[in-house]
Amino acid sequence: GENVEQHPSTLSVQEGDSAVIKCTYSDSASNYFPWYKQELGKRPQLIIDIRSNVGEKKDQRIAVTLNKTAKHFSLHITETQPEDSAVYFCAASIGGYSTLTFGKGTMLLVSP
Amino acid sequence: DVKVTQSSRYLVKRTGEKVFLECVQDMDHENMFWYRQDPGLGLRLIYFSYDVKMKEKGDIPEGYSVSREKKERFSLILESASTNQTSMYLCASVGGNSPLHFGNGTRLTVT
Repeated sequence: GENVEQHPSTLSVQEGDSAVIKCTYSDSASNYFPWYKQELGKRPQLIIDIRSNVGEKKDQRIAVTLNKTAKHFSLHITETQPEDSAVYFCAASIGGYSTLTFGKGTMLLVSP
Repeated sequence: DVKVTQSSRYLVKRTGEKVFLECVQDMDHENMFWYRQDPGLGLRLIYFSYDVKMKEKGDIPEGYSVSREKKERFSLILESASTNQTSMYLCASVGGNSPLHFGNGTRLTVT
């Protein structure tokens, strides 16, 4: 089955810096790659996703890039703010919204 | 807005008890999932269901079973709770063009 590796496990940045979280996946048939943000004590929520026919997608301060050849995708957060502090999960699946395999998560801490 | 509701936020049970975790979604989604979340291990899939009375094992089904008698409701059952099942349990649903939506989670402690 699919295996998703996520790095780093923790990431500390200063407010205003950029943050990058990287994931690799094993199944070349995977074609849907969402990112979820989980604030302390809350449910994971989708923040951005990308499909395999697109190389990059942006939404304000966040962007995701996908390299299908290398089987890796990354989340980029620019101009980080303290409210970006959370655990971020990447995931991969075959066929859109079907069963997702998640990475182990990255705890991002943004210091004022 | 999609709503996935888990019946309990916190549960404390004793070893050997039979435990039911209930989940209800209000968007007529076909697919429902149970994940377990542990620090450093991320979200691991226990069971999922593509339709009423259908169930499929996920990555860590041992010690768990599920029930889906109605489309909106998906129950996770611990037949005989053990201390290594102490965890956060997250229900999720997806359907149509809607991405995966999670419930608020049930933090289960088995003593």
